[in-house]
Amino acid sequence: AQKITQTQPGMFVQEKEAVTLDCTYDTSDPSYGLFWYKQPSSGEMIFLIYQGSYDQQNATEGRYSLNFQKARKSANLVISASQLGDSAMYFCAMREGRSNFNKFYFGSGTKLNVKP
Amino acid sequence: ETGVTQSPTHLIKTRGQQVTLRCSSQSGHNTVSWYQQALGQGPQFIFQYYREEENGRGNFPPRFSGLQFPNYSSELNVNALELDDSALYLCASSYGLGPETQYFGPGTRLLVL
Repeated sequence: AQKITQTQPGMFVQEKEAVTLDCTYDTSDPSYGLFWYKQPSSGEMIFLIYQGSYDQQNATEGRYSLNFQKARKSANLVISASQLGDSAMYFCAMREGRSNFNKFYFGSGTKLNVKP
Repeated sequence: ETGVTQSPTHLIKTRGQQVTLRCSSQSGHNTVSWYQQALGQGPQFIFQYYREEENGRGNFPPRFSGLQFPNYSSELNVNALELDDSALYLCASSYGLGPETQYFGPGTRLLVL
């Protein structure tokens, strides 16, 4: 089974509107971390936000927030007030706590296009 | 604070050749992981180095090998290149083996002809 599933290959959003990018994960490990990265066309993976499996509150970083629903095993990224510079690929990733090395599992990504 | 750097940025090789890619970790980080990202896909874990030892490996053949140096910089070596090795190779650094965030470099785009 896929560890990370991103079901939206592409999304469009109007500038200044909010958008939600979906991510579901699969693990039996009670301890894990969830991450979102942004990848512009240049290729570099830019860290956006982190959520730990034991964190009680949803993570927020500026315009980014992570809607963490543990029972549903989902970790959706919400971008508020979209900007043209937000157009990029977005990847959801997971690290399992039982692993003794820092292997990240990545989803297939969602391409976000912000329209002016 | 210096971020993760990688060299070269682009590389073209022919099938059967060997290639070495380099990565300098972010200041203060002692763990380096390498990922392969084929076109249109998410990154796939190749292996990780921690304190100069390989301590984890993904589903990649032995012709993918690496090194980590005392300053925690790292190399990825690929022997007997195949066409399917064409990809973006990403290096990520972090501190330790915990759940800390990995920070990625800009990547090396390898094209195998």
